[in-house]
Amino acid sequence: GAGVSQSPSNKVTEKGKDVELRCDPISGHTALYWYRQSLGQGLEFLIYFQGNSAPDKSGLPSDRFSAERTGGSVSTLTIQRTQQEDSAVYLCASSLGVTLHFGNGTRLTVT
Amino acid sequence: AQSVTQLDSQVPVFEEAPVELRCNYSSSVSVYLFWYVQYPNQGLQLLLKYLSGSTLVKGINGFEAEFNKSQTSFHLRKPSVHISDTAEYFCAVSLQGAQKLVFGQGTRLTINP
Repeated sequence: GAGVSQSPSNKVTEKGKDVELRCDPISGHTALYWYRQSLGQGLEFLIYFQGNSAPDKSGLPSDRFSAERTGGSVSTLTIQRTQQEDSAVYLCASSLGVTLHFGNGTRLTVT
Repeated sequence: AQSVTQLDSQVPVFEEAPVELRCNYSSSVSVYLFWYVQYPNQGLQLLLKYLSGSTLVKGINGFEAEFNKSQTSFHLRKPSVHISDTAEYFCAVSLQGAQKLVFGQGTRLTINP
């Protein structure tokens, strides 16, 4: 079946602009995660949605970052007033149990 | 809170040689342990996981890992590597009963012919 889909695959934006990154999880998966992968930094947890529960936002680095998950399915990660340090690959994953299934990521470059 | 340390950022090996990628974790409670692999320009995929039971876990592509509770380690091994194993490998931990994964910094495995 279809895996986790992320769009766009690449995004170049100017410093100060807002960006939206989209994630379509695997159908039926109740949990959805966003991670950030920066060069040499490993994977940094950002936010986690589980069913109808309040999301775990403990990894969001600043109030410029926010995420929504509509209808328990598609999620959008929004970064406002982008900064150069936001340049990274943003990975989305979904799961039904303990195994996470990852998308190929969105590479964000802030110029 | 749990944490993961991957002791080697890069590991170069020759083709058909054995390899071990090291992972240590820190947690005061029982955990689940995972190894994920990331091929160039792709997302991560699960190699293997330890939830309970036998401490020796076998995964895809001939990899295996051993959970050692006393040493809080979960090292990944393969007896003979191939060029196609060139990738970045991530160790991860979650608390039992929780789903949020904490990842290590990754180990880049480079296979030389």
